[in-house]
Amino acid sequence: GNSVTQMEGPVTLSEEAFLTINCTYTATGYPSLFWYVQYPGEGLQLLLKATKADDKGSNKGFEATYRKETTSFHLEKGSVQVSDSAVYFCALRGGSYNTDKLIFGTGTRLQVFP
Amino acid sequence: DAGVIQSPRHEVTEMGQEVTLRCKPISGHNSLFWYRQTMMRGLELLIYFNNNVPIDDSGMPEDRFSAKMPNASFSTLKIQPSEPRDSAVYFCASRAGYTEAFFGQGTRLTVV
Repeated sequence: GNSVTQMEGPVTLSEEAFLTINCTYTATGYPSLFWYVQYPGEGLQLLLKATKADDKGSNKGFEATYRKETTSFHLEKGSVQVSDSAVYFCALRGGSYNTDKLIFGTGTRLQVFP
Repeated sequence: DAGVIQSPRHEVTEMGQEVTLRCKPISGHNSLFWYRQTMMRGLELLIYFNNNVPIDDSGMPEDRFSAKMPNASFSTLKIQPSEPRDSAVYFCASRAGYTEAFFGQGTRLTVV
């Protein structure tokens, strides 16, 4: 079945550092890929998405490129802020099984210090 | 729009009691999802509905769990009887067609 694997956290960075959170997936066909963010005490919010190979999703300075050849969708940001501290979830939906389910990775906690 | 509304935000109950979690999806959304979040298992999809009909309940852990969606604007997730291992944050999410899913703020359930 479809699955998502993301790097374990926490990721601890100083403000203005470069961020990478790795995400790889297992799926047949062409699933849609997502990054969600969860701030403390809140539900998940969609951060960005990509629906086909080589698409780049971007939002709030975050970017991720859908790489079919490496089955990856790594999240990057050039300069993180304290306000970016949250848990980030990689997710996929669809593929050959055309499932409607949104399948999440385990989440990666990001902590940014001033 | 107020977004997906879940109630209660926090619930503490004794083992063996019945617990009912409630969700009001965003108006016009035709898909609704129930997720459970724990430190050990992360986010697990329990069940989802499309046009009020349960489509996939393979994630429901056992018969103690049941979910209903009597109409397009309301869903419940019931646990009877509750057990300490059911302690988690339960999220409801809704979606219109094949667009992004919007999540509620969750219900933190503690079973003592």
